[in-house]
Amino acid sequence: KAGVTQTPRYLIKTRGQQVTLSCSPISGHRSVSWYQQTPGQGLQFLFEYFSETQRNKGNFPGRFSGRQFSNSRSEMNVSTLELGDSALYLCASSSGQATETQYFGPGTRLLVL
Amino acid sequence: GNSVTQMEGPVTLSEEAFLTINCTYTATGYPSLFWYVQYPGEGLQLLLKATKADDKGSNKGFEATYRKETTSFHLEKGSVQVSDSAVYFCALYRGSNYKLTFGKGTLLTVNP
Repeated sequence: KAGVTQTPRYLIKTRGQQVTLSCSPISGHRSVSWYQQTPGQGLQFLFEYFSETQRNKGNFPGRFSGRQFSNSRSEMNVSTLELGDSALYLCASSSGQATETQYFGPGTRLLVL
Repeated sequence: GNSVTQMEGPVTLSEEAFLTINCTYTATGYPSLFWYVQYPGEGLQLLLKATKADDKGSNKGFEATYRKETTSFHLEKGSVQVSDSAVYFCALYRGSNYKLTFGKGTLLTVNP
């Protein structure tokens, strides 16, 4: 089975711009989660989607949003980028069951200048 | 709320040394526990997991036992290799809030 794929792998943006990141889950997985990884804050949960419904959202400003499509692919969007948004954004997929493992993609590294 | 505390390191060992990375957690109910590993420039890879008390997860020579009485999930390996050099993350998952809560990660460097 193909793993979780994320595109693009690298992005450079300037402050004030917006960005959209994409994630394709493992085939058959219906849950997609997003995490932000920074040296200072570590790994922080952004949101989780299951069958196109957001089931939980982390403590991030409204500039961070996401959605999931009927084929389980997911996108996250960050508007009005700030320098502090520079991070590795990781997507994970799972079947959505309570004890199921989340499998991570390689991440998208975003640099905001 | 839920939280995970792990030794932050960095940890530096010689090849074939014994490894322990401590991890303790705070959570309501019965979370699932995980160890993930991250190699430079990559995403997280699942190393092992345990879903209930007294379960032992194991993979590639690594082991961890879910200890509810001490709320711990310490990672151990009897003989580390240079290729084990990476950052290791302990995490818990509560199905009721659909998210992983991670420790801050432990950088392991193994020297030949």
